[in-house]
Amino acid sequence: SQKIEQNSEALNIQEGKTATLTCNYTNYSPAYLQWYRQDPGRGPVFLLLIRENEKEKRKERLKVTFDTTLKQSLFHITASQPADSATYLCALTGGFKTIFGAGTRLFVKA
Amino acid sequence: NAGVTQTPKFQVLKTGQSMTLQCAQDMNHEYMSWYRQDPGMGLRLIHYSVGAGITDQGEVPNGYNVSRSTTEDFPLRLLSAAPSQTSVYFCASRLGASGIDGELFFGEGSRLTVL
Repeated sequence: SQKIEQNSEALNIQEGKTATLTCNYTNYSPAYLQWYRQDPGRGPVFLLLIRENEKEKRKERLKVTFDTTLKQSLFHITASQPADSATYLCALTGGFKTIFGAGTRLFVKA
Repeated sequence: NAGVTQTPKFQVLKTGQSMTLQCAQDMNHEYMSWYRQDPGMGLRLIHYSVGAGITDQGEVPNGYNVSRSTTEDFPLRLLSAAPSQTSVYFCASRLGASGIDGELFFGEGSRLTVL
């Protein structure tokens, strides 16, 4: 069955450092991959989308890479800030369905 | 812009009761979907719709019904609630049904407890 794995352990980093989150998937050939941010008690909010034929996408302090051979995406937040503390969800879309990983909690300490 | 609106925000049910979670979007999106989110399991797709009158099952459809009579509304019905349906439910919409326009817009969630 299709499976998305994100690091279930929380990631703790110091303000100003780069946070790197990992998303691995199996038994899936997605058309594209997305990253979302979710704050406690709120719905997920879209951050970035990268297509299967793209290697890297950037938006301000965010960078996403997508390796369809390794079946892996890396999500980077550079110059991290305490306001970046949240849960980050990886999502894969193929056809009409989008499936999500369980998310990784990021804590940025001032 | 309201975006995606879900009601109610909180609900407590007894086992066997029925209820409907409402979802409405004002963005003229073709695609709408329902997810449930449980601790450690992420978002799981329950049902989705690619347009008015068209619905299909997701990963965990059992115990839930949906209909799409208008573009704006996509209600989720629990016919006979069970404790296993205690969860946070999210409605999400997308501009295009084909998936080319990938960004999903989520509501704020409906927190359901079944006793």
